[in-house]
Amino acid sequence: NAGVTQTPKFRVLKTGQSMTLLCAQDMNHEYMYWYRQDPGMGLRLIHYSVGEGTTAKGEVPDGYNVSRLKKQNFLLGLESAAPSQTSVYFCASSYSIREKNEQFFGPGTRLTVL
Amino acid sequence: EDQVTQSPEALRLQEGESSSLNCSYTVSGLRGLFWYRQDPGKGPEFLFTLYSAGEEKEKERLKATLTKKESFLHITAPKPEDSATYLCAVLSSEGAGSYQLTFGKGTKLSVIP
Repeated sequence: NAGVTQTPKFRVLKTGQSMTLLCAQDMNHEYMYWYRQDPGMGLRLIHYSVGEGTTAKGEVPDGYNVSRLKKQNFLLGLESAAPSQTSVYFCASSYSIREKNEQFFGPGTRLTVL
Repeated sequence: EDQVTQSPEALRLQEGESSSLNCSYTVSGLRGLFWYRQDPGKGPEFLFTLYSAGEEKEKERLKATLTKKESFLHITAPKPEDSATYLCAVLSSEGAGSYQLTFGKGTKLSVIP
């Protein structure tokens, strides 16, 4: 089992460019999450999904969109990148939220917006 | 607003010198407290889940405990490979199927040979 994988590992964008980050999990988890991690800020939830075809906003959703067309995949999109979106992005998944709710994280994507 | 505070921010220990990391929280409706380990350049790795006050979990040199206001991660006779940032996260719910997971900022542990 690969667990949670993320593509790409690194990316540099210019302000205004768009990109999509891909997250895949092979654990048959219902819940998937996108976080960003910034120095001194801790992990902050961007968007999450409670199942295929569903998405919901987290703590810092502005400037991002997500889609969950397949249960195993969760995509994070930046339509018009800004320097404030320079960060490390982590995807996570969990079986449930009530029980077996520990989250398993991917290796991260380091994004720099110039 | 839910709050999770970890202390200290950084901790340097000599190999074999036992110590504890603290995670204090202010949430309504605790549904679980999680400990993660994060190595530089990697994603957080799940360690423990604690659900109720008095609960304890152990894994090798690590032992996590939970009270009504805080959790401790005890590290016994640490080794250099225990060096990492340790994250605490609290899952809370105010009912009606609404859950929130709040992460602390972490404690960076360095174990010196």
